[in-house]
Amino acid sequence: KAGVTQTPRYLIKTRGQQVTLSCSPISGHRSVSWYQQTPGQGLQFLFEYFSETQRNKGNFPGRFSGRQFSNSRSEMNVSTLELGDSALYLCASSSSGWKGEQYFGPGTRLTVT
Amino acid sequence: TQLLEQSPQFLSIQEGENLTVYCNSSSVFSSLQWYRQEPGEGPVLLVTVVTGGEVKKLKRLTFQFGDARKDSSLHITAAQPGDTGLYLCAGQTGANNLFFGTGTRLTVIP
Repeated sequence: KAGVTQTPRYLIKTRGQQVTLSCSPISGHRSVSWYQQTPGQGLQFLFEYFSETQRNKGNFPGRFSGRQFSNSRSEMNVSTLELGDSALYLCASSSSGWKGEQYFGPGTRLTVT
Repeated sequence: TQLLEQSPQFLSIQEGENLTVYCNSSSVFSSLQWYRQEPGEGPVLLVTVVTGGEVKKLKRLTFQFGDARKDSSLHITAAQPGDTGLYLCAGQTGANNLFFGTGTRLTVIP
């Protein structure tokens, strides 16, 4: 069974731009969660999507948004990028939701200059 | 505010030594998970503990959930270079909250 895939793996953007990251979950998994990982703040939960609906949301500004498609693939969008948005963005899929056993992708390394 | 504090933050040991990593909080968790993350990869779930006082063993790894469900420990016996990585604990509080710890970066020197 193929694992969670994320594209692109690396991205460099300029302040003020927007970015879209993509995540394909494990086949059959309907829950996709997104996390931001930085050296200073560690791993922080952004939001979870289940069957195309946002089911849970972390404490991030509205510039961070996401969506999920009918095939469970998910995208995350960050608008008006700030230097502090530089991070590793991880996606995790689960068959039972974000509190259960999650399988993480390799992440997208975003650098904002 | 960091709900879950891990210690030590960094640990460098020789192959064959034993070590313990701690995950502490003032909050009570309904369950706690441990993950290991290697460079360039996402975290991989090692274990989930749900009962206060629970002990789980995975080969050379022993996980314990505190009696009060506020803390946990991970003990590795006879560490190997393949154990090198970032160890993360994650605790669930309430219905919809999951918080990750600050992480312990372990290096096992051959």
